[in-house]
Amino acid sequence: GAGVSQSPSNKVTEKGKDVELRCDPISGHTALYWYRQSLGQGLEFLIYFQGNSAPDKSGLPSDRFSAERTGGSVSTLTIQRTQQEDSAVYLCASSTDNTDTQYFGPGTRLTVL
Amino acid sequence: RKEVEQDPGPFNVPEGATVAFNCTYSNSASQSFFWYRQDCRKEPKLLMSVYSSGNEDGRFTAQLNRASQYISLLIRDSKLSDSATYLCVVKRTGGFKTIFGAGTRLFVKA
Repeated sequence: GAGVSQSPSNKVTEKGKDVELRCDPISGHTALYWYRQSLGQGLEFLIYFQGNSAPDKSGLPSDRFSAERTGGSVSTLTIQRTQQEDSAVYLCASSTDNTDTQYFGPGTRLTVL
Repeated sequence: RKEVEQDPGPFNVPEGATVAFNCTYSNSASQSFFWYRQDCRKEPKLLMSVYSSGNEDGRFTAQLNRASQYISLLIRDSKLSDSATYLCVVKRTGGFKTIFGAGTRLFVKA
């Protein structure tokens, strides 16, 4: 079946612009995670959605970052007034309720000039 | 100090060698443990979960030592295709926040 998809695959933007990244989780997966991975670094947890529960936003680095998940499926991560340090690969993952296995999308490579 | 720490490597080993990676975690409330594999410029994929009793999957063996708060991964008879970054992953009790280590790079050479 279809895996996790993310769009765009690459995004180049100018400092100060807003960007929106999209994640389509695996159908039926109720849990959705966003991570950020900078060059040569590990994954940094950003935000977690589980069903209709309030999201865990504890990893968002600043108030310029926000995310929403509509209808319990598609999620968008928005970065306002982008900065050069926001340049990274943004990865989305989904999982079912009763398993810990996370399935990752291919990521969106964001470059802020 | 990072919550999950790994030796970044790189580990350079010949084909057929046995190689072991260790990972330490600082939060004693950690509940679930995993090893993920990430190929260059690709997304991470689950390699195996780590159970208290230790578990094996083919050439791969994972161990958990709760008292010392470390996790290990042993790869026997290394193949060229094992070349990748291995990520140690810890999930906290009572929540869903997942902490990834920075990864250990492995290069297996012919």
